[in-house]
Amino acid sequence: GAGVSQTPSNKVTEKGKYVELRCDPISGHTALYWYRQSLGQGPEFLIYFQGTGAADDSGLPNDRFFAVRPEGSVSTLKIQRTERGDSAVYLCASSAVPPGRNTGELFFGEGSRLTVL
Amino acid sequence: SQQGEEDPQALSIQEGENATMNCSYKTSINNLQWYRQNSGRGLVHLILIRSNERENHSGRLRVTLDTSKKSSSLLITASRAADTASYFCATVHSGGSNYKLTFGKGTLLTVNP
Repeated sequence: GAGVSQTPSNKVTEKGKYVELRCDPISGHTALYWYRQSLGQGPEFLIYFQGTGAADDSGLPNDRFFAVRPEGSVSTLKIQRTERGDSAVYLCASSAVPPGRNTGELFFGEGSRLTVL
Repeated sequence: SQQGEEDPQALSIQEGENATMNCSYKTSINNLQWYRQNSGRGLVHLILIRSNERENHSGRLRVTLDTSKKSSSLLITASRAADTASYFCATVHSGGSNYKLTFGKGTLLTVNP
């Protein structure tokens, strides 16, 4: 597609349930990122994929969070036993060039708003 | 953790005025980028400045960087109501990973028609 696509755009779930959030990056972008954004805050890094592998998952808050990218394209962020504190907007981004390279920028999706009741 | 701190947290101006937002960061950087986010939407890249640059321009945007003070500013000239959005600075640390972009908390800009 033309841009980064995220589904669902909104997800309301009950405490303790399992949730999957999907990201379809820009075609050809090898790098994929998940960020989490709470109300009034900037995005916080969760995990970075280069190709199929998670090169850096240091931002995942605990072992209830897991992400995969089995074919190096679409990624799924999985949250087990959801808690009210998991409520946030989960943003996915992709890039063709690492942001540390001096032409690198991230392309973001519209986000998935997760509400845990 | 968040690297940058934007200042002010919120800014309200009239259409046609200039808007200046500031960002401070803590560690040495490769580059600094500014992003814009309309309410309920994703972030959009605006402009990038390299660590060896002092100023960069793109259309109505002007970004400056002072590495000695670890600070940057974003100037939007001749603002329009459509510029109403949150603006975030983001940095890539030098000497480490070149893939992780760390965002500040943002400045909420309101441009009144």
